[in-house]
Amino acid sequence: GAGVSQSPRYKVAKRGQDVALRCDPISGHVSLFWYQQALGQGPEFLTYFQNEAQLDKSGLPSDRFFAERPEGSVSTLKIQRTQQEDSAVYLCASSLSIGSSYEQYFGPGTRLTVT
Amino acid sequence: GENVEQHPSTLSVQEGDSAVIKCTYSDSASNYFPWYKQELGKGPQLIIDIRSNVGEKKDQRIAVTLNKTAKHFSLHITETQPEDSAVYFCAAVGSGGSNYKLTFGKGTLLTVNP
Repeated sequence: GAGVSQSPRYKVAKRGQDVALRCDPISGHVSLFWYQQALGQGPEFLTYFQNEAQLDKSGLPSDRFFAERPEGSVSTLKIQRTQQEDSAVYLCASSLSIGSSYEQYFGPGTRLTVT
Repeated sequence: GENVEQHPSTLSVQEGDSAVIKCTYSDSASNYFPWYKQELGKGPQLIIDIRSNVGEKKDQRIAVTLNKTAKHFSLHITETQPEDSAVYFCAAVGSGGSNYKLTFGKGTLLTVNP
C-alpha cells in the first residue's frame, strides 16, 4: 500500500522567507511525527500529533516553527523567517496508534536548503 | 531524557561476512528498540525492532539482541550483500509520558565490498 509521502522533496529558500512542508501519512494512522535530520546525524524529534491534537511540541527549535494537522490526516510544518541553521532534511513519520503499536514509518523527507 | 550511543560510526566488510552494530541507551524504562536503514536520498526504513520482553529476534539474515541489564542492544547482519550498504540507525522509545518519542543514535555507515 501507499507509504508516507512528503512534498516538496527539495526546497531552496532565501534567508528570511517562509516555507511550508507537507506530509501525507499512511491512511488510518492516528499518530504523526515530525523529525529534523541534520547532515550526518540521526533524526531528532520535533513534534507529535495524535489525530488533530498536537500533544508534544517540545522539540521545535524556536517559535518560528509551527506544525498543524487540522483534520487529523495531512500535516504541515511551517517555518517562518528561515535561517541558515534551518537547513536540514525534515522527516515525517506515522504510526497506527500508540500503546499497542510503536512502529513508526517514515516518508522520504524534504531537504530544505536556506541560502 | 533518553540518550542513545551507537558504534561504530563506519563499518566496512567483505560480501558474505557478518556485520555487527551496537547501541547503548540511558533510560532503563525504555521498552522498544527499532532499527532503521537509510539509503542515500531516502527516508529511514524500519527493518527490525525488539521489545523489552524478549532478548533476541531474528528475521532472515537480520537479528537483534537486547540486554536490558546492561542497557545495550545490537544489530547483526549475516551473509552481507552489496545492497546492505546504507546508514543504519538504532533508536529507543521514551518511557512514561514520552512513550512515543524516538531517540536515535548517530548512525553507522555500512559498506559491503563485492
